Amino acid sequence: DSGVTQTPKHLITATGQRVTLRCSPRSGDLSVYWYQQSLDQGLQFLIQYYNGEERAKGNILERFSAQQFPDLHSELNLSSLELGDSALYFCASSVESATLELLHFGNGTRLTVT
Amino acid sequence: AQTVTQSQPEMSVQEAETVTLSCTYDTSESNYYLFWYKQPPSRQMILVIRQEAYKQQNATENRFSVNFQKAAKSFSLKISDSQLGDTAMYFCAFMKLNSGTYKYIFGTGTRLKVLA
Repeated sequence: DSGVTQTPKHLITATGQRVTLRCSPRSGDLSVYWYQQSLDQGLQFLIQYYNGEERAKGNILERFSAQQFPDLHSELNLSSLELGDSALYFCASSVESATLELLHFGNGTRLTVT
Repeated sequence: AQTVTQSQPEMSVQEAETVTLSCTYDTSESNYYLFWYKQPPSRQMILVIRQEAYKQQNATENRFSVNFQKAAKSFSLKISDSQLGDTAMYFCAFMKLNSGTYKYIFGTGTRLKVLA
């Protein structure tokens, strides 16, 4: 158990809809990363938050947004969903200290857009 | 920009045999970290092994070891005495500190099947 909790585990929705994915980082971790893994693909970095502030942005669509709350949990909002948004969305957390940083992954949320 | 390349989309190995997964990367940095992650059918992401670029000694974790060739920018994973539970997708990842944050780049993965 990595200590990172993602909810829901599965989500099925229709095109054009909006969904929110939630991530609770490991206790003590200030940084949250969001990744998208499409079918049989590698992990694409979407966005990173550190202690409530956006730290880095990757290949995140304008239809997608995220935030990190004061209690450090994070939400990824996906709107105007398209079939191609179907993927496994991972959240990962880390401490972000000066030493080696390990990513601790949640078990992912599988989003299916029909 | 940094890139990570895994040139073997799929591999298979007989149980108890040894298999090597390849990974190459491109960077102009001298200080960075390299990782191998395993993603079994359950879809969890599990850290297998890590290597600090400043260390010349290759990392080893039980049946898993790496061959880190810094000059060649190569970071292969060797799995000895392969077990059925090793069947998974394996991702190579590169990490460095970039503008005050840690930047991770993942390869596209190698699907490994261990045959009974």
